[in-house]
Amino acid sequence: DGGITQSPKYLFRKEGQNVTLSCEQNLNHDAMYWYRQDPGQGLRLIYYSQIVNDFQKGDIAEGYSVSREKKESFPLTVTSAQKNPTAFYLCASSIGFAGVLSYNEQFFGPGTRLTVL
Amino acid sequence: KQEVTQIPAALSVPEGENLVLNCSFTDSAIYNLQWFRQDPGKGLTSLLLIQSSQREQTSGRLNASLDKSSGRSTLYIAASQPGDSATYLCAVRKTSYDKVIFGPGTSLSVIP
Repeated sequence: DGGITQSPKYLFRKEGQNVTLSCEQNLNHDAMYWYRQDPGQGLRLIYYSQIVNDFQKGDIAEGYSVSREKKESFPLTVTSAQKNPTAFYLCASSIGFAGVLSYNEQFFGPGTRLTVL
Repeated sequence: KQEVTQIPAALSVPEGENLVLNCSFTDSAIYNLQWFRQDPGKGLTSLLLIQSSQREQTSGRLNASLDKSSGRSTLYIAASQPGDSATYLCAVRKTSYDKVIFGPGTSLSVIP
């Protein structure tokens, strides 16, 4: 059963605490992405990775960090430097980042809702 | 800088009605446009993807059109059902090497 999984579904963070959101895919996709969604706004790109051991900052990378040590995994760490982390976080993947049309169609995980206490 | 807007932000219609959702983008030079559905608290599901060379795509009761020159796309839903209630987002990509830019979405409620 191929797809993208995210865990946990709900996450609570205390002030000054780092938390890590998990994203795993078994689609054999090279590219993976992290988005943040706030009410009334479109998805905003945090980080993306075109291939293993490579990642690039998106539009709102400050206060976040990622790693891509394995093709199937792209964890996102929300650090204490992120001043307003309460949001819905979505992970996505695609066959590739660029190239022919079928390569860059993105498939999304179910999301993680992060709340700061 | 590409900006994507969707109007209205929310829409409520009676069951059975045909409806149109709108998506506008400021830079007409796009590579593709994609429509997604998002159920509350869930991830996004791709509905239709239109290449820049295409004018429309159809899937079941859904039809998406693209007019690059005017910077617009519409998603037409025929014979709406309560199960169609969700938020619909459009997203554009400038080139095959660019990031995807998302609109804020239209929240649709279909009343039985």
